[in-house]
Amino acid sequence: DAGITQSPRYKITETGRQVTLMCHQTWSHSYMFWYRQDLGHGLRLIYYSAAADITDKGEVPDGYVVSRSKTENFPLTLESATRSQTSVYFCATKSMREQETQYFGPGTRLLVL
Amino acid sequence: KQEVTQIPAALSVPEGENLVLNCSFTDSAIYNLQWFRQDPGKGLTSLLLIQSSQREQTSGRLNASLDKSSGRSTLYIAASQPGDSATYLCAVAKGETSGSRLTFGEGTQLTVNP
Repeated sequence: DAGITQSPRYKITETGRQVTLMCHQTWSHSYMFWYRQDLGHGLRLIYYSAAADITDKGEVPDGYVVSRSKTENFPLTLESATRSQTSVYFCATKSMREQETQYFGPGTRLLVL
Repeated sequence: KQEVTQIPAALSVPEGENLVLNCSFTDSAIYNLQWFRQDPGKGLTSLLLIQSSQREQTSGRLNASLDKSSGRSTLYIAASQPGDSATYLCAVAKGETSGSRLTFGEGTQLTVNP
């Protein structure tokens, strides 16, 4: 019973490369979210999805692309990585139930050189 | 734009002390307020969720209060233990939908010394 998993857990890449971070859930929750966590900024929402094939921008979407062809997967792609995208990325899920909390994955640490 | 502030940024206390963590937010039109715990190198774990119509929620040694009109919440931890050492994050959900988006504070890093 893994719940929510993220891969890879650690990634080093170079400026300009494309990187895809994976998020997978086993709960069939409708909502999925991507956040980044940086010192001095806390957690900020990048993109979220209310269901398969429905996505919307969050607070800091520039430089990122998401897709959700299946309910259980919500990959985040950095099309051309920049040093400012060095961060810890968290995926989260939430059910449709009212007043339900979000459940977070373990995070992916990304370093862009 | 909603802004969430947490004070203090860091707190160190001896084991057994009762302590209070503070959270303030600028827009009182919230759906709920949530407190999370984050251990080093780990994801977030939900502790308490207070609906906008509620004043407080309790879970074990934790008690969270909400004063929506003044834009404040407190997390009270009774009889602190070294295992309580972690970063505590406050988040507010906007809007009236079940998929409410969260705005986070930067957290309070708590150290409980044996």
